[in-house]
Amino acid sequence: GIQVEQSPPDLILQEGANSTLRCNFSDSVNNLQWFHQNPWGQLINLFYIPSGTKQNGRLSATTVATERYSLLYISSSQTTDSGVYFCAVGTGNQFYFGTGTSLTVIP
Amino acid sequence: ETGVTQSPTHLIKTRGQQVTLRCSSQSGHNTVSWYQQALGQGPQFIFQYYREEENGRGNFPPRFSGLQFPNYSSELNVNALELDDSALYLCASSLDRSLSPYGYTFGSGTRLTVV
Repeated sequence: GIQVEQSPPDLILQEGANSTLRCNFSDSVNNLQWFHQNPWGQLINLFYIPSGTKQNGRLSATTVATERYSLLYISSSQTTDSGVYFCAVGTGNQFYFGTGTSLTVIP
Repeated sequence: ETGVTQSPTHLIKTRGQQVTLRCSSQSGHNTVSWYQQALGQGPQFIFQYYREEENGRGNFPPRFSGLQFPNYSSELNVNALELDDSALYLCASSLDRSLSPYGYTFGSGTRLTVV
């Protein structure tokens, strides 16, 4: 299967700081998504981004498919941004997830 | 429109026992996928059910089995529980096996602890 690696594994930020999360994947993809796992365990889709750049408020994402990586940017972080962020590659009938980045934003 | 609901939310079982987890799919969805998320790891695909038939399976032993019912709800059954089966079990529903972000919805999961 496809290998998905995420870095850093853990991140602690002061409120208001910016951050960049990285996802490397082992094969060409046409379905890459970023998810946020909330404290109740539910995975919420943030971006569908197999290539290019998208922005949604304080979050943006970029995927360079030819170089097999994707970046998630969080600007002006808030305590509500805390949680685990996953990159997932969709192929066939399943998603392959990375091990996630655990983000803690402190006031 | 209701989302994906899973039950129970938490469960404690003894090694060797059997467990059944339940998932109600989102209205209009006919596909259910199950994932296992061990502590500190990303979710891993167990299997998918489409119109009551298994449609693909990940690297899990046969003691992990499932069902999908005519209303498209689903069950995950695990026999002969092992300590390593302790995890968050996530269910996702979608339409026609699609992985589209516009219709692939996760539930909040069942936290299973095996002691």
